[in-house]
Amino acid sequence: GESVGLHLPTLSVQEGDNSIINCAYSNSASDYFIWYKQESGKGPQFIIDIRSNMDKRQGQRVTVLLNKTVKHLSLQIAATQPGDSAVYFCAETRDNYGQNFVFGPGTRLSVLP
Amino acid sequence: DTGVSQDPRHKITKRGQNVTFRCDPISEHNRLYWYRQTLGQGPEFLTYFQNEAQLEKSRLLSDRFSAERPKGSFSTLEIQRTEQGDSAMYLCARTEGQGAGELFFGEGSRLTVL
Repeated sequence: GESVGLHLPTLSVQEGDNSIINCAYSNSASDYFIWYKQESGKGPQFIIDIRSNMDKRQGQRVTVLLNKTVKHLSLQIAATQPGDSAVYFCAETRDNYGQNFVFGPGTRLSVLP
Repeated sequence: DTGVSQDPRHKITKRGQNVTFRCDPISEHNRLYWYRQTLGQGPEFLTYFQNEAQLEKSRLLSDRFSAERPKGSFSTLEIQRTEQGDSAMYLCARTEGQGAGELFFGEGSRLTVL
């Protein structure tokens, strides 16, 4: 079946460096994508989203890039901080509705002092 | 605060026992979702409600799983005759308005079946 996947299961970065977390998706009909952050013992927390009519969207210290040609999504975190240590999930859906969200297995980001 | 409260946060039970989880969204009459998350995996959709109506339940994992949302406010997820494979985090989520857009997740209820 169609799914959302990962390029790397774990990522370690030095504090202050930029982080890039990648995600591959296979459903060409998906038109809405979200990145979630999940800290240990907590529920997923919304970070940023992007629709398929865009290729870039920026938030506070985060940028999401969407490449529809190769079905690739990335999350860039600028000046990574210890509080950014968490598991990051990408999710895709074709119609915005929660029952149709497909989540990838996640990337664990570890920020080194 | 995502406006979703879940209880209990942790539940340890013996195989064969029944467990019930509760979800309280901040606002009524919107969509409410249940997801399951196993270790190292992303959330997996189980079921959802629009007000008190359960609109999708075919993806509940087995007939041991059931959910309710009486009066369109809080919701419960029950697992009967628990098995070790049921050990997971059970997440409740809501959406704003009539359901499109991002999911706001609660902190989850972690189930451990011994």
